[in-house]
Amino acid sequence: QVQLVESGGGVVQPGRSLRLSCAASGFAFSNYGMHWVRQAPGKGLEWVAGIWYDGLNKYYPDSVKGRFTISRDDSKNTLYLQMNSLRAEDTAVYYCTRASGNSGFYYSDYWGQGTLVTVSS
Amino acid sequence: DIQMTQSPSSLSASVGDRVTITCRASQGLSYYVAWYQQKSGKVPNLLIYAASTLQSGVPSRFSGSGSGTDFTLTISSLQPEDVATYYCQKYNSAPLTFGGGTKVEIK
Repeated sequence: QVQLVESGGGVVQPGRSLRLSCAASGFAFSNYGMHWVRQAPGKGLEWVAGIWYDGLNKYYPDSVKGRFTISRDDSKNTLYLQMNSLRAEDTAVYYCTRASGNSGFYYSDYWGQGTLVTVSS
Repeated sequence: DIQMTQSPSSLSASVGDRVTITCRASQGLSYYVAWYQQKSGKVPNLLIYAASTLQSGVPSRFSGSGSGTDFTLTISSLQPEDVATYYCQKYNSAPLTFGGGTKVEIK
């Protein structure tokens, strides 16, 4: 069965960096696009990054562009989100999701349990 | 960027009622819209994709319709286990924007 397990969350000071990881299993990871989606406490869902199956195409919303970088290591079946220059408004649960196809332009058919990132001094 | 406007933001209905949630896009999306259900404290769950295709395992009381700019999620007969927040999402191009959500409660 498809499993996505996020790790790397925690408390970080504003302006600092954090890297999230997502270990994938139960499917051919290298054949699928992947996303990161976040949810601030008590708020709605926000898509924050997408990567195609080949790792060559990556997309971000303006809110994180230039600060966040999505990447993947198919040899380890792992997705990453490098988050730099963190702000208080980046505080959220971060979900790793599988895109339902090989590009990043697909809906999310599987979701991890999420990892909480808290940006606070 | 294309905006996704969901309405209403919340609703209260009786068990057995027909419930309709709408999502309006600021530009045409063809059929590239998905709907998710998120129960309190849980991970979002895919209900509908391609505007009207029911995800495997989702009860048939859920249905989706629409194309272009106007999309609808319908629950034909509301059940207690349907209490949740529902989100639409566009996925034709980046950014893959979500709607603001609709919280559904039982009256």
